[in-house]
Amino acid sequence: SYVLTQPPSVSVAPGNTARIPCGGDNIENKGVHWYQQRPGQAPVLVIFYDSDRPSGIPERFSGSNSGNTATLIITSVEAGDEADYYCQVWISSTDHVVFGGGTKLTVL
Amino acid sequence: QVTLRESGPALVKPTQTLTLTCAFSGFSLTTSGMCVSWIRQPPGKALEWLARIDWDDDKYYNTSLQTRLTISKDTSKNQVVLTMTNMDPVDTATYFCARSRNCGSSRYYFDSWGQGTLVAVSS
Repeated sequence: SYVLTQPPSVSVAPGNTARIPCGGDNIENKGVHWYQQRPGQAPVLVIFYDSDRPSGIPERFSGSNSGNTATLIITSVEAGDEADYYCQVWISSTDHVVFGGGTKLTVL
Repeated sequence: QVTLRESGPALVKPTQTLTLTCAFSGFSLTTSGMCVSWIRQPPGKALEWLARIDWDDDKYYNTSLQTRLTISKDTSKNQVVLTMTNMDPVDTATYFCARSRNCGSSRYYFDSWGQGTLVAVSS
């Protein structure tokens, strides 16, 4: 089965750039989607199809996907960005969805 | 405005069957490409996709749970129902339903979620 690997935690100082990786075999051939989940809340889509941003999501959020790693990039990090972030892909061979293990972003 | 709301028991006993309902508004599950999925999250753990039902009534299940899951829809009521049999304490989780508009493609992502319902499994 396809596995998405995320680091359990990433820390960044306010105003700096956070990069959250999501590793998967030839992930560049898949569309990668990212969700932000604050404690006690439902996930919110922040990036879809590698680098597209839903309406209402700040331009500080962007994404990239190359080789075996997709990356969520958050520039000018704010305290309010502190949350868990999950990557997600669709597996064509099974028509199933896979989520990464999640990364807790801590704003120092 | 798209909304989804999960409902069901907060507590079930081991071996019982769980039935959850997702009531939605703001879209139609008869629209081509549309689907509703169920996703769960054990306390402190990651998201896990469970099942999906498409606009044309196609159904898909997590391979490891498929013998225990059944998903169905009532388009007249704008509801999707998930049943999970033989519940176990490891099934304790928050259960979410979520909407997608490009199901079965690389653009299959969840653009609207319910708030989730916490289900505890305990005797």
